[in-house]
Parts: sequence; C-alpha cells; structure tokens
Amino acid sequence: IAMTQTPLSLSVTPGLPASISCRSSQSLLHSGGRTYLHWYLQKPGQPPQLLMYEVSNRFSGVPDRFSGSGSGTDFTLKISRVEAEDVGVYYCMQSTQLPLTFGGGTKVEIK
Amino acid sequence: QVQLVESGGGVVQSGGSLRLSCAASGFTFNTYDMHWVRQAPGKGLEWVALIRSDGSNKYYGDSAKGRFSISRDNSENTLYLQMSSLTAEDTAVYYCAKGRWMSDYWGQGTLVTVSS
Repeated sequence: IAMTQTPLSLSVTPGLPASISCRSSQSLLHSGGRTYLHWYLQKPGQPPQLLMYEVSNRFSGVPDRFSGSGSGTDFTLKISRVEAEDVGVYYCMQSTQLPLTFGGGTKVEIK
Repeated sequence: QVQLVESGGGVVQSGGSLRLSCAASGFTFNTYDMHWVRQAPGKGLEWVALIRSDGSNKYYGDSAKGRFSISRDNSENTLYLQMSSLTAEDTAVYYCAKGRWMSDYWGQGTLVTVSS
C-alpha cells in the first residue's frame, strides 16, 4: 500500500494551526473493522515517536492540540496551535497490511 | 518504562555480514510482535521485517528477503536481525519497534554503514 503525504514541508507561525494530509493507495480498513493508520513525529536526532494511532486516538502524553481524522484512504493530522516543540518530520504509517508502509514525511518548521 | 536498546551496528565492507540486537525491557516481551525498521541518511522510514511474539512467523520487506533474518530469544528479551550480502544501499539507522499493529515504542537505533 503506497502512502502519499502532503505537503512536503510546512512553515508555521507559533499559535497558528497546521494540517497534514495522508492518502493511501487502497483502503486501510482492516477486515476486523479497525483502521490501522498512525502518525509519528520524528524530532531531529531522535527515533519516531507515536502521536496518533488508529486514525484518531492520541497516544499517552500527546497534547490535545493534536487530532487525527479520516477514513478509507484519506487521513489528516491537525495541530490546533503549533508550538516550538512540534518541529520535526511527521510520518503517517499504515499497518493494516504487510509490508508496513510510510508516507514520505512532512517537515514542520517554525517561522 | 519500556526500553528498547539496539546494538551491533558499525562499519562493514560491501558483501559482509552483521548481526543487530535489540534488548527489550519494561514490558512482557514474549507477548509482542516486533519489527525492524530502517532509515537511510536523510531519507524516510522503510520497514524491514516482522516477527511474531512466539517466533513462529517471520515476514520481510523486499529489500530484506533472502539476505536478512529476523529472530528472537524470549528467554533473553532480545530481538535480532542477521544481515548478509550487505550493499551500500543498506546503509541506515536500524530501529527495533514494539507491536504489530501499533508500534508504540521505538529504540534509539543503531547505525550500519556499508563501505565499498
């Protein structure tokens, strides 16, 4: 399953919102009824950290300014008010079907 | 707390072999499937392999098939990746990650550099 993320990069003023799109080449709805689309943030020099799992569930410790939505093949990660600590590369990942595949990444910078 | 610590990376000549390890702690290792994922310098993430919690089934990405072997020792809470016939294209940071469906924790990674 191919994953396409847009945009490639974002430059955001602190306090303003940001949105990242992820599109899959086929539906991510698993036969068991769940959609295994997740979002990760990779900060410079660090491994990816899980932000959102199964489309819209915030992982432990993730601020509520992050939200996820979507279904089928189209998904969105939104940051309601970007903060300086949100810089890094955001990846969507699907685990509905092997091989796991990742979007190409969206680099978020602060203006 | 969950900890995953990779080791075994280094510089290896093209055509050589290397075995990576991932020491796990802070969770019941033998109940979780485990992945290896890699990231070439300045590039995105690429899935390498998956092993079931009991080691019964193993799956590989196209770049790993026939050259890499994933295994685990549940008595030692350790995941392995045996890599052979390495090429420059295998140069990357290799991460282990916990969980088949939702990889919620990743190690810090170990760098493998294949020199020609």
